[in-house]
Amino acid sequence: QQQVKQSPQSLIVQKGGISIINCAYENTAFDYFPWYQQFPGKGPALLIAIRPDVSEKKEGRFTISFNKSAKQFSLHIMDSQPGDSATYFCAASMTNTGFQKLVFGTGTRLLVSP
Amino acid sequence: NAGVTQTPKFQVLKTGQSMTLQCAQDMNHEYMSWYRQDPGMGLRLIHYSVGAGITDQGEVPNGYNVSRSTTEDFPLRLLSAAPSQTSVYFCASRRQGVGNQPQHFGDGTRLSIL
Repeated sequence: QQQVKQSPQSLIVQKGGISIINCAYENTAFDYFPWYQQFPGKGPALLIAIRPDVSEKKEGRFTISFNKSAKQFSLHIMDSQPGDSATYFCAASMTNTGFQKLVFGTGTRLLVSP
Repeated sequence: NAGVTQTPKFQVLKTGQSMTLQCAQDMNHEYMSWYRQDPGMGLRLIHYSVGAGITDQGEVPNGYNVSRSTTEDFPLRLLSAAPSQTSVYFCASRRQGVGNQPQHFGDGTRLSIL
């Protein structure tokens, strides 16, 4: 019940296209859903996050869509650029617990071709 | 502007050897944590700390020890290295607080156990 399932494992998108990465969770107590971006040789960095009281959050070219009833959320990267090539992790946590342990998905390696 | 600093960046050990992975943060964050990242498995929590003198186990604690004597430092000790501990290790820190505080990750230690 603590798992976060992420798909696809890898994704190739042409420059200017839309990249879509999907995640699903089981634990309805999760109330915070961040996405992390990781470049080779670097640690993950917070990209965008959403709480389940909203269905969508947009920051620049990055949008999270959230479907509470389906227990699914997705990351959309509009006008994908070669600089977006990285590994993306979704995650979930419960913010009413002290440490707020993050449960991570298994990651999606995105390649944006020029 | 250092953030979270991990040393060493790379290490090769022989089975049975012990070593300490260092982690330091200069943001005065109360919470610190260690993750391991393995292909196809995302990031898994090893140990975490909510303040100096307070540590607890995460999802995969076996074979690892931690201590937190200062707010800044959170070393991870491998007691007797095993090939299964070959991984990339990330340290993270975040501010204590209500709601969603972002995790700040270091750039990782790449550890190989022969």
